[in-house]
Amino acid sequence: GNSVTQMEGPVTLSEEAFLTINCTYTATGYPSLFWYVQYPGEGLQLLLKATKADDKGSNKGFEATYRKETTSFHLEKGSVQVSDSAVYFCALSFSNTGNQFYFGTGTSLTVIP
Amino acid sequence: GAVVSQHPSRVICKSGTSVKIECRSLDFQATTMFWYRQFPKQSLMLMATSNEGSKATYEQGVEKDKFLINHASLTLSTLTVTSAHPEDSSFYICSARGRYYQETQYFGPGTRLLVL
Repeated sequence: GNSVTQMEGPVTLSEEAFLTINCTYTATGYPSLFWYVQYPGEGLQLLLKATKADDKGSNKGFEATYRKETTSFHLEKGSVQVSDSAVYFCALSFSNTGNQFYFGTGTSLTVIP
Repeated sequence: GAVVSQHPSRVICKSGTSVKIECRSLDFQATTMFWYRQFPKQSLMLMATSNEGSKATYEQGVEKDKFLINHASLTLSTLTVTSAHPEDSSFYICSARGRYYQETQYFGPGTRLLVL
């Protein structure tokens, strides 16, 4: 089947610290991979995506590389800010089968000044 | 970017009543809309997929008679929780995309339902 596994949170970091949120997936086929961010009281916003192996998605200082050999899509940022505090969801989707998303459980990040 | 809205953002109702949640695409035609449910500290679980003008397709384990979905136009889908019970309390999120599978899916801000 299709599933996404994320590292459990919550994660608390000091401002300017390095962030890694691990994500691995299981898929029957070749999915596109996504990171979504959910700020308090808001819906999900697309942070970045990658559609094939070795692609790197990047946005707002965040990066993730589609690693087919390790079935991973880890999220990284070199220097986090207080405004990055949110819940981060890793997800996969197959664009040729209706775009249904399979989400991980989410990782809550709190950045303290 | 494209915007999807949901109304209401929060609703509290008594057990046994029905609640309707609206999902609107504000600046594009949403051929397909998805309804998700998010339990506290858990991920989003897809409940159903609806295409404009067609009956919704429900995921296994989701009661279609309890969660009525209507997608009557290209900009509006509604989810009605019928005879709501406390266990239906949850965060409901819709998403929408255009006609083609490759198009980006846009998520609404969610509706918090509390059934007393």
